[in-house]
Amino acid sequence: RKEVEQDPGPFNVPEGATVAFNCTYSNSASQSFFWYRQDCRKEPKLLMSVYSSGNEDGRFTAQLNRASQYISLLIRDSKLSDSATYLCVVAKSGNTPLVFGKGTRLSVIA
Amino acid sequence: GAGVSQTPSNKVTEKGKYVELRCDPISGHTALYWYRQSLGQGPEFLIYFQGTGAADDSGLPNDRFFAVRPEGSVSTLKIQRTERGDSAVYLCASSSGLAGGQGELFFGEGSRLTVL
Repeated sequence: RKEVEQDPGPFNVPEGATVAFNCTYSNSASQSFFWYRQDCRKEPKLLMSVYSSGNEDGRFTAQLNRASQYISLLIRDSKLSDSATYLCVVAKSGNTPLVFGKGTRLSVIA
Repeated sequence: GAGVSQTPSNKVTEKGKYVELRCDPISGHTALYWYRQSLGQGPEFLIYFQGTGAADDSGLPNDRFFAVRPEGSVSTLKIQRTERGDSAVYLCASSSGLAGGQGELFFGEGSRLTVL
């Protein structure tokens, strides 16, 4: 079983839609969780960290369920500029390397 | 520049050749990571440096791969006897290494390696 699993998509949604991505991780010792965004042929960039209490940044909401080892990302009011691949990322703790999922591709259509 | 710089941006080589990929991290960042990314996949961890030493090299696929960071800044990833399966984008990232800052890796634009 892969350490971080995501539905690769693509998710094709109209502008203004709400879309949710899910991710599961296998290592119950994982302590740190993130969503990264990667535009086509570009490098990954941190979108947001994911906290146990859940967190929101504008149109983006991230949730963590430790019991189910499950992370989600919700995007409200999708914009064309949200089109990208969203990478679920997990780390055990401290300075252990980040483990990336394969990513979920989102296309927002006008 | 202020970001992570990688050279070359593109490298085409023949099977069996030796390749070096260079990474210049953000000034002051103590932690440096190498990942590689194949088409349709997420970045795959290779090796991580804290200062000059390799803190974790568990991701290096075999002994053809080696990386150094002799002065704790610039790093070089070295691939010997390249194989077609080594073709990928090699991404370098750095972070401040401070507690709580580990999650934000700043990636370079990558070195695209093609082995013919």
